Amino acid sequence: DQQVKQNSPSLSVQEGRISILNCDYTNSMFDYFLWYKKYPAEGPTFLISISSIKDKNEDGRFTVFLNKSAKHLSLHIVPSQPGDSAVYFCAASGRYSGAGSYQLTFGKGTKLSVIP
Amino acid sequence: NAGVTQTPKFQVLKTGQSMTLQCAQDMNHNSMYWYRQDPGMGLRLIYYSASEGTTDKGEVPNGYNVSRLNKREFSLRLESAAPSQTSVYFCASSEAVGPGYTFGSGTRLTVV
Repeated sequence: DQQVKQNSPSLSVQEGRISILNCDYTNSMFDYFLWYKKYPAEGPTFLISISSIKDKNEDGRFTVFLNKSAKHLSLHIVPSQPGDSAVYFCAASGRYSGAGSYQLTFGKGTKLSVIP
Repeated sequence: NAGVTQTPKFQVLKTGQSMTLQCAQDMNHNSMYWYRQDPGMGLRLIYYSASEGTTDKGEVPNGYNVSRLNKREFSLRLESAAPSQTSVYFCASSEAVGPGYTFGSGTRLTVV
């Protein structure tokens, strides 16, 4: 069963508008959440993260919101730019394995297309 | 450039052949991981190594073996490739969860 769910496989947004990508999780033991961005033929790159002690984290055009009671997080991109077109993965930290090792559980991804 | 290097970038295998995917990182990270990405399935953890000398199974370990050769290198071996192992494989490393993982650019493997 999926512990991290991204229910929208794709999203299209006009340039300059807001992009909102959603993610739900089921495991109440998750305490750290991350968003990764992936371009074709490249590996995922870290975008932004949030700890469960916060409900919002902002970095430039990117803001992540966390609603623990609903087990829901969202990534807002404002304003959206054509270069933001990529697949976005939501990830949650799982079992701590010691020596700084955290397993990440990933969602299936949402493909964002920003239309000029 | 500092980061995670994976070789090869592309590989085609016949069913039953074996091969090793290589991964090296130069960031002095303790932990390394192997993921596979399949269409509509996201990234799934195959094996990980919390530190040099240790390895553990992830979500989908069947059909794979790993070796943490030293702190820099973590290899993934397919002993007898099957078409179900056709996928894109990503290696990653991390020091702590805060900055997240650093991923390699991937190995696209096709098993025919």
